[in-house]
Formats: sequence, structure tokens, C-alpha cells
Amino acid sequence: EVQVVESGGGLVQPGGSLRLSCAASGFTFSTYAMSWVRQAPGKGLEWVSSISPSGDVTFYPDSVKGRFTISRDNSRYTLFLQMNSLRAEDTAVYSCARHQTGNYYSGYGAWGQGTLVTVSS
Amino acid sequence: DIVMTQSPDSLAVSLGERATINCKSSQSVLYNSNNKNYLAWYQQKPGQPPKLLIHWASTRESGVPDRFSGSGSGTDFTLTISSLQAEDVAVYYCQQYYGTPQTFGQGTKVEIK
Repeated sequence: EVQVVESGGGLVQPGGSLRLSCAASGFTFSTYAMSWVRQAPGKGLEWVSSISPSGDVTFYPDSVKGRFTISRDNSRYTLFLQMNSLRAEDTAVYSCARHQTGNYYSGYGAWGQGTLVTVSS
Repeated sequence: DIVMTQSPDSLAVSLGERATINCKSSQSVLYNSNNKNYLAWYQQKPGQPPKLLIHWASTRESGVPDRFSGSGSGTDFTLTISSLQAEDVAVYYCQQYYGTPQTFGQGTKVEIK
């Protein structure tokens, strides 16, 4: 069974940092593109970042570029999101999503339950 | 950025009746070299993560009931639930994966009338 399970969320002060992890199982991790998607409380879905299967290509929207870094450890079947300079507007549930293929230009075939990040003083 | 606009924001449909959700992109998501529309539909039930229903605008994901269908091309797309069931109550999102940033519609809430 395909599974992705996020961890690392919590309460952090504005300007602080947090590192999220996503543990994958049930598929060959190194052959799939992966992404992070967030959902603010009561709001819609917002793409946060993506990474190629090998980890050599990454993508970010302007809203997080320069503050967030996506990475992966294929030997540990784990995806990461390092979040720095956090702002109140980054408060959301962050979900890990596996693309349908190794191509970033594909839909998200599997999602985790998400981990809540709250940025507040 | 490609802006995805869904309509309506919400709709209430009687059990067994048809539900139709529209999604319009601010620019075409049809890639001419392979004639594929880079458009997906997701279903999100309360307290759950989204679930992929449709990709390439009209290809049903494995295991998705055939009452769900997607259509459209270029900039205008539709998700149709042919006969609404109680378990279909959810928020539905369209998403384009043609350009960066990948963007979602604002969501359409489907309820039972």
C-alpha cells in the first residue's frame, strides 16, 4: 500500500524555522517526483514546492522562494521541507504528495494526512 | 501564473441527480506536442487529504467510480458526477500542472439537497 506520512509540524514564532519530514512506503521512492502542498485553515490548496526523483531539480512558487528548501533522501525514503523566516501567512496543514510519475508535470496520485504548522507569537 | 476559476462555489444536488462543476484556466493547459490537457480533479472529504479522481482532464484514476467523468480542453473543463451518492459530499478542486506554479481552483463544495 502506498503511504506517505508527514511529521515535524508545530508552533513556531514569526521569523523562526521548522523542518518537515515525509516518510514514504509502498512504492519505489526514487522513481517519483514529490511535492509539498499546504492548506490554510478553512482555505483551499496551495502548491509549495516540488522535487525531481533524483533531487537535482526543484521548483518553488514566489511566495516561499528563498525561504523554503525541499530535499529528499532516496536511501531513507524520506522527503524534507526546510522552512526558514516563517510568517503568519505560512500557517497551514502541510501535506506531502507523490506525483503519478517521475515527471513533475503530472497530478498528485497519493497524499499524506498532513502536519499542522502554526506561526504565531 | 495560470489562474484557475471554478464555478459554482457550492451546489446542492438531490441524490441520484447530476452534479456539474466547471473549471476555467486563464490560459490554455493543452500541450500541443502530445495533445494532452495538463488538468486534474481532486475530491476532498472533511478531515481527509485530497484524492485524485481525474488526470489529463478526462482519464479516470484507477478505482474511481465511473459516475465521475471529466471533459473539456484548452481553457474550459468540467467534472460531472452522473448520479450523486451520499458519499460524494466533498469539496472538489481542479488543478493545472502545465505551468509553474502549479495552481488549484478555489474549490466547489457539493452537498445533498
